[in-house]
Amino acid sequence: EPEVTQTPSHQVTQMGQEVILRCVPISNHLYFYWYRQILGQKVEFLVSFYNNEISEKSEIFDDQFSVERPDGSNFTLKIRSTKLEDSAMYFCASSEQEIGYGYTFGSGTRLTVV
Amino acid sequence: AQSVTQLDSQVPVFEEAPVELRCNYSSSVSVYLFWYVQYPNQGLQLLLKYLSGSTLVKGINGFEAEFNKSQTSFHLRKPSVHISDTAEYFCAVGLYNFNKFYFGSGTKLNVKP
Repeated sequence: EPEVTQTPSHQVTQMGQEVILRCVPISNHLYFYWYRQILGQKVEFLVSFYNNEISEKSEIFDDQFSVERPDGSNFTLKIRSTKLEDSAMYFCASSEQEIGYGYTFGSGTRLTVV
Repeated sequence: AQSVTQLDSQVPVFEEAPVELRCNYSSSVSVYLFWYVQYPNQGLQLLLKYLSGSTLVKGINGFEAEFNKSQTSFHLRKPSVHISDTAEYFCAVGLYNFNKFYFGSGTKLNVKP
């Protein structure tokens, strides 16, 4: 069964450093997403991406965050200057069509900011 | 505003017993409804979804859920659970014309032998 692949599975970074979380969506999918889950809290929407541009973003997704699909296969989330409160599990997802079809999620990257 | 409430943070149950995981939502617009499961150290796997039509939806691994519009609920059920069903279950709501989910806080199902 096709999978969404995320790397690394766990990343530790110092506060103020830049991090890039990587995702390889399913090859024929057109819609891409990032969600995050702070420990003990709900899974929250960050951003959706379609046709090489952001289609929607949440209040969380401020200027510190950016997304990119640099080569047609990878989908990255960059956090420019990490804060302690950015520590969370970050999930990438992709879908072939819009929301009614459900997403396929990756297994997540646990980001720990120290 | 939209919200999803999963009333039980943890549900312990014995193997082969039935289980119901509760989910209620509030929304001012029509919604799609989903249940996802997360096994330890894995991603979120789609269990089932309700888009329209029959209010009883069957999913993978013997799970089913029933959409109740008047009670704004979408409870997940399984008549007989297995040890392998031990996982965290997330209810999610997707809005028509908005391509994102709102998730509940999750219910940890712990199946005991």
